[in-house]
Amino acid sequence: QSVLTQPPSVSAAPGQKVTISCSGRSSNIRNNDVSWYQQFPGTAPKLLIYDNDKRPSGIPDRFSGSKSGTSATLGITGLQTGDEADYYCGTWDSSLSAWVFGGGTKVTVL
Amino acid sequence: QEQLVESGGGVVQPGRSLRLSCAASGFTFSSYAIHWVRQAPGKGLEWVAAIWYDGSDKKYAASVKGRFTISRDNSKNTLYLEMNSLRAEDTAVYFCARDPYYYGSGRGNLDLWGQGTLVTVSS
Repeated sequence: QSVLTQPPSVSAAPGQKVTISCSGRSSNIRNNDVSWYQQFPGTAPKLLIYDNDKRPSGIPDRFSGSKSGTSATLGITGLQTGDEADYYCGTWDSSLSAWVFGGGTKVTVL
Repeated sequence: QEQLVESGGGVVQPGRSLRLSCAASGFTFSSYAIHWVRQAPGKGLEWVAAIWYDGSDKKYAASVKGRFTISRDNSKNTLYLEMNSLRAEDTAVYFCARDPYYYGSGRGNLDLWGQGTLVTVSS
């Protein structure tokens, strides 16, 4: 059972939009910045969003992040087959003194 | 280019020990916090431990506290994870990842990852 809660899977047709939610509590999401990671099978995760809504250099603006209260959201617009991957949210939990991840969400392009 | 390369994984019997290494290159290793994150086969990411840039602060997941020790040698640009009393549930790919902020500051993120090294605990 992960400290942060994500839906196991989301799907949409090419060109459409998907959103992935990440639900936590005050000790993690509310009081700390959230980051998002993209992982393809057999490869290392890659930073997609940091500081809740910022994109590292090279990440297309089709990817966006937001945070409100104890929840964060990753959005992917103009969905492409190359976006099929697992996506994880992560942040620091001040009560646990530990980094916590969501359980991961598999994005499928129909 | 900036790179993290893990090594030291392998097959080990339950109860035995193993030491993982993470070699950094292309950036100032001694300026960054570094984390270990693991991923069991077919499962999600699980944070293991983190160490502050100078080794003065260390944090551990409850699942490994007392069994694993994170350390670093900034003169060798290398991070370590000493794993003792290994259990079957420690079987996973272990990644090291760089954090540009103090993880407890509320601004941490894992902006550079190694390719991972597989640890299999089995008799």
